[in-house]
Amino acid sequence: SQTIHQWPATLVQPVGSPLSLECTVEGTSNPNLYWYRQAAGRGLQLLFYSVGIGQISSEVPQNLSASRPQDRQFILSSKKLLLSDSGFYLCAWSVPLRKLFFGSGTQLSVL
Amino acid sequence: GQQLNQSPQSMFIQEGEDVSMNCTSSSIFNTWLWYKQEPGEGPVLLIALYKAGELTSNGRLTAQFGITRKDSFLNISASIPSDVGIYFCAGQLVTGNQFYFGTGTSLTVIP
Repeated sequence: SQTIHQWPATLVQPVGSPLSLECTVEGTSNPNLYWYRQAAGRGLQLLFYSVGIGQISSEVPQNLSASRPQDRQFILSSKKLLLSDSGFYLCAWSVPLRKLFFGSGTQLSVL
Repeated sequence: GQQLNQSPQSMFIQEGEDVSMNCTSSSIFNTWLWYKQEPGEGPVLLIALYKAGELTSNGRLTAQFGITRKDSFLNISASIPSDVGIYFCAGQLVTGNQFYFGTGTSLTVIP
């Protein structure tokens, strides 16, 4: 069966520091991969998605970037974090069945 | 990105009551998904819908894909305390790999 791993679960970072969040999927090949951000008590905002290795589409221009170095690995990065980058970050995957499955999320606090 | 309007924003109901919520979009979707999210966790997929008019059940949950393809509905029958959480709709455009989310409905069930 397919599983998605996302880490770390919680992260506290100072303003101006770099960020790297990693997500890996097991049990499937060539998935579409997604990064979402959720502000407290709010809906999910699509940040990036990828349909293949090295292919990244950005939905919202911002302080973040994404990379897909391997088929089942998706990385969210920032060179310098802002206070507004705080939030709950979720990685997700889908296949042609048109269902979207989420990881357990990373709670990022930028102080 | 796409804007999905979800209503109501919150609901406070007595245990045993039925619940209805809906999601509307200005765009036509070819997939509607319904999720439940509990605090600090990723959303969990409840129901997936793929055709206009489709009605699908998952236990006490029933969802429908609107015939205009711009809306979807979720009903929960005979609510129980463990139904508490935030329910999200999500849609996938006919042309694209993105999934866009509604603003969420917060459900509180009073025993």
